[in-house]
Amino acid sequence: NAGVTQTPKFQVLKTGQSMTLQCAQDMNHNSMYWYRQDPGMGLRLIYYSASEGTTDKGEVPNGYNVSRLNKREFSLRLESAAPSQTSVYFCASTVDPQGHNQPQHFGDGTRLSIL
Amino acid sequence: AQKVTQAQTEISVVEKEDVTLDCVYETRDTTYYLFWYKQPPSGELVFLIRRNSFDEQNEISGRYSWNFQKSTSSFNFTITASQVVDSAVYFCALSEAYAGGTSYGKLTFGQGTILTVHP
Repeated sequence: NAGVTQTPKFQVLKTGQSMTLQCAQDMNHNSMYWYRQDPGMGLRLIYYSASEGTTDKGEVPNGYNVSRLNKREFSLRLESAAPSQTSVYFCASTVDPQGHNQPQHFGDGTRLSIL
Repeated sequence: AQKVTQAQTEISVVEKEDVTLDCVYETRDTTYYLFWYKQPPSGELVFLIRRNSFDEQNEISGRYSWNFQKSTSSFNFTITASQVVDSAVYFCALSEAYAGGTSYGKLTFGQGTILTVHP
């Protein structure tokens, strides 16, 4: 009963390095999301994928790219990491929100530090 | 644009006290959904409740209750007889249902309220 799985759980990068955060869900959900959580700011949407084959920007997309590899997987890439991207990243999924907005299921998060 | 405000940054109570977490939202949509999530010290996000804008009935689940008032755009959460295990960050969130057909369930979160329950 995995739900939403994120890898890695922790990562330390140097400024300018690149990396990809992985997310996979086994609930046959159509929509997937990437959020970042910063102290005092709640969670903010970076990118989302309404369905397989589509992606779109959220509130804070700058410095990130995403790929919806298939229905299960949605990855987040930092091309050139910056200290401002130090955060906890959450991936989430939901079955099919259009008009019904079912709850999103969240992964356990990736704690990313950029030095 | 939608917005969620949780004005209480931190609340500290003693076990068995009742505590209410406030949530005020802004949206132009007539159809929307409100959520509460709990984030315990372990860090995961746990879904607590979902409420749509047409259902203003208050809800009770054990020691938890929610008061939804459209007139004041508020969706407050009360924990009765708090316990140490209730210590967590609590998030209120809003999702517009339609937004011109492009909502896709995107959540707007409040800043979160840190609740500490002391023994």
